[in-house]
Amino acid sequence: ELKVEQNPLFLSMQEGKNYTIYCNYSTTSDRLYWYRQDPGKSLESLFVLLSNGAVKQEGRLMASLDTKARLSTLHITAAVHDLSATYFCAVVNSNSGYALNFGKGTSLLVTP
Amino acid sequence: GAVVSQHPSWVICKSGTSVKIECRSLDFQATTMFWYRQFPKQSLMLMATSNEGSKATYEQGVEKDKFLINHASLTLSTLTVTSAHPEDSSFYICSASGQNRNEQYFGPGTRLTVT
Repeated sequence: ELKVEQNPLFLSMQEGKNYTIYCNYSTTSDRLYWYRQDPGKSLESLFVLLSNGAVKQEGRLMASLDTKARLSTLHITAAVHDLSATYFCAVVNSNSGYALNFGKGTSLLVTP
Repeated sequence: GAVVSQHPSWVICKSGTSVKIECRSLDFQATTMFWYRQFPKQSLMLMATSNEGSKATYEQGVEKDKFLINHASLTLSTLTVTSAHPEDSSFYICSASGQNRNEQYFGPGTRLTVT
């Protein structure tokens, strides 16, 4: 069974600080996704990581993938309040027609 | 980018009634559509995978007779919650994938409340 674990599940950080969210998964997969969800809304795609060593950056967010360690990270640089949201990582489950298995999500609150 | 719509965006129904939720891919052909359910403050859980013209594949623990999924065309999939109960109240989100399986496009979700 494919398991996806995120940590931390809750994160409160001050504006201007840096932090990293971790995503571990249990079986081989070559595709990993990061999403953002605001309260009451659906998912917003942030990054699609398709190969070992992939690194993508958008604004204050940077995601990386290490398929050998089965680990992805989402690094937040100089956080701002607008980044407050829940962040999910998800891994392709090839046994379910390429559906996604999601981590539990990291609820991020950025405070002044 | 590709757009997926859902209708309705929210619905309130009485216990025992049935509710149909539509998921449409607006500007691409969705060979595969997925239905997820999200309870408050929890993650998304896959309910079923549907391919156009085929029967849906349900995840373990999801009652196929209660959650009827139809994927009759390359742009439309429907989820019907039959004989709804309060415990079916949830946020239902569909996603669609075209020929490029690296991308899944999520709909805006449907919030179902069963009273």
